[in-house]
Amino acid sequence: GENVEQHPSTLSVQEGDSAVIKCTYSDSASNYFPWYKQELGKGPQLIIDIRSNVGEKKDQRIAVTLNKTAKHFSLHITETQPEDSAVYFCAASTTDGDDKIIFGKGTRLHILP
Amino acid sequence: EPEVTQTPSHQVTQMGQEVILRCVPISNHLYFYWYRQILGQKVEFLVSFYNNEISEKSEIFDDQFSVERPDGSNFTLKIRSTKLEDSAMYFCASSELSQGGGSGYTFGSGTRLTVV
Repeated sequence: GENVEQHPSTLSVQEGDSAVIKCTYSDSASNYFPWYKQELGKGPQLIIDIRSNVGEKKDQRIAVTLNKTAKHFSLHITETQPEDSAVYFCAASTTDGDDKIIFGKGTRLHILP
Repeated sequence: EPEVTQTPSHQVTQMGQEVILRCVPISNHLYFYWYRQILGQKVEFLVSFYNNEISEKSEIFDDQFSVERPDGSNFTLKIRSTKLEDSAMYFCASSELSQGGGSGYTFGSGTRLTVV
């Protein structure tokens, strides 16, 4: 089955700097890659996703890149703000009827003042 | 914005007791899921449910677990005889389409289950 690895487990960046979180996946059939943000005491919230027919997607300060050959995908947050502090999860899924998504272990992002 | 609602937010139960975790998915969603997250660990898939039946379940989802959609709005997870290791945050999620449609999941805020 699919296995998603995520690095780093913890990341601290100065406010205003960029943060990058990287993930790899094992199943070459995976073609949907969502990213979730989890704030304390809340459920994961979808922030951006990318499909395998696209190499990059951007939404304001957040961008995701996908390298299908290398089975890598990354989340980039620019101009970080205090409200970006949270746990971020990458995930992978196939679209062949198996509709579960498999999560990485998460990255705790701290934005330093 | 539509939400997935979970109750209770926190449940404490004695080992060996049965618990029912409740979820109200978004009304036009067709696919329903339960995930769990042991403290500080990854979010793990338990079960997916579509068209009034389980479509997939993980190895975690053994015979002590069951899911039901008793009416048009509720989606429940029952744990028959709880063990200490069942202590976790349980998240319900729903989606309008399967991942083939790529609508993404909407998660509820979770139920923290503590087995003592």
